[in-house]
Amino acid sequence: DIQVTQSPSSLSASVGDRVTITCQASQDISNSLHWYQQKAGKAPKLLIFDGFHLETGVPSRFSGSASGTNFTFTISSLQPEDIASYYCQHYDNFPRFGGGTKVEVK
Amino acid sequence: QVQLVQSGPEVKKPGSSVKVSCKASGDTFSYYAISWLRQAPGQGLEWMGGVIPIFDIPPTYAQDFQGRVTITADKSTSTSYMELGGLKSEDTAVYYCARGGFVVGAMGSFYFDFWGQGTLVTVSS
Repeated sequence: DIQVTQSPSSLSASVGDRVTITCQASQDISNSLHWYQQKAGKAPKLLIFDGFHLETGVPSRFSGSASGTNFTFTISSLQPEDIASYYCQHYDNFPRFGGGTKVEVK
Repeated sequence: QVQLVQSGPEVKKPGSSVKVSCKASGDTFSYYAISWLRQAPGQGLEWMGGVIPIFDIPPTYAQDFQGRVTITADKSTSTSYMELGGLKSEDTAVYYCARGGFVVGAMGSFYFDFWGQGTLVTVSS
């Protein structure tokens, strides 16, 4: 099985800060890594697919990148409405999710 | 715009079954993969299985749910159903339907681009 490790599990940042979340795969998964935002009590929302493609309607402060087996999700300037949990997801026989990162505002 | 609307919350006794529905609108229901996932309180997301309605092939299930979950799709009403049997307290969770998650032939996608609003299933004696 391909393991994907998401970190950190939580972070606290100030409005306007740059926020970075990473997912590291145990093997090559090409760019087949996707990122979701989940606000409290709501369904997840797709933000980035296939490593770096921004889903339609998602603000440009969100971005994704890939380097080998390392994937990075970035919020360039944290906004109050970005308070949420963020999950990476890949496919290895079936869809699998990272453990999530809870983003809070200082 | 695709919309997935799920049925309402359920409270069930241990050992019973629950059936949750997911009605799609806004796009061609049959040509996409419809997946079911769940999220226990304070926990992460877990894929249960899915179906591509246009194909007359059995749904795909996650190994952890084999034998306990049944996923179906009614093309005439653009509705997918997820039935989970042998309920235990650990099955208390929010259950989601979502478009995508797996590929069969040229149909589907490996990510989930539209989600239902979620259905809380509480299992309690």
